[in-house]
Amino acid sequence: GEDVEQSLFLSVREGDSSVINCTYTDSSSTYLYWYKQEPGAGLQLLTYIFSNMDMKQDQRLTVLLNKKDKHLSLRIADTQTGDSAIYFCAESIATGANNLFFGTGTRLTVIP
Amino acid sequence: EAGVTQFPSHSVIEKGQTVTLRCDPISGHDNLYWYRRVMGKEIKFLLHFVKESKQDESGMPNNRFLAERTGGTYSTLKVQPAELEDSGVYFCASSQGGTQYFGPGTRLTVL
Repeated sequence: GEDVEQSLFLSVREGDSSVINCTYTDSSSTYLYWYKQEPGAGLQLLTYIFSNMDMKQDQRLTVLLNKKDKHLSLRIADTQTGDSAIYFCAESIATGANNLFFGTGTRLTVIP
Repeated sequence: EAGVTQFPSHSVIEKGQTVTLRCDPISGHDNLYWYRRVMGKEIKFLLHFVKESKQDESGMPNNRFLAERTGGTYSTLKVQPAELEDSGVYFCASSQGGTQYFGPGTRLTVL
């Protein structure tokens, strides 16, 4: 079955860049997503990338996709304390099903 | 426009009891999904409705879980009888064929 993996924890200093990594196993992924969950809140869609793209930039966020290695990353520039949250990587695959396959989530802690 | 809402936000019940979770999708969204995150693990798909029909229920863990979406609007997920391993956060999401928008989740604790 589909397997999406992320490291569990990441700590960075305020103002530094954060890079959250994700690997997946299914080569038929169509879209890959990054969701953010702040404490006590639901999942907020941050950004997504179509599988035929290598990079997408949106303000402080940069998504890189290496389809050959099945590796996705999210870079947050100038990380702020408000970026502290759990970040989930998710993929949808081209089987006609629309459900998402999620990783375990990476808890990002920003140290002031 | 209101987002996806879920009720209750928290539920604490004893093993063997019944709990019903509710999800109200974004108005006009035909697709409604249920997911679950057990403590510290990945968020896992449970099932997918298209309007009132179950499109995919391959992720439902067992027959103690029953989901309905009468009239194709809101959905309920009933767990009967609840077991300890059912504890977790239950998320609902809706879409109109593209991006899924998630609700805040219901945290279920079974004691």
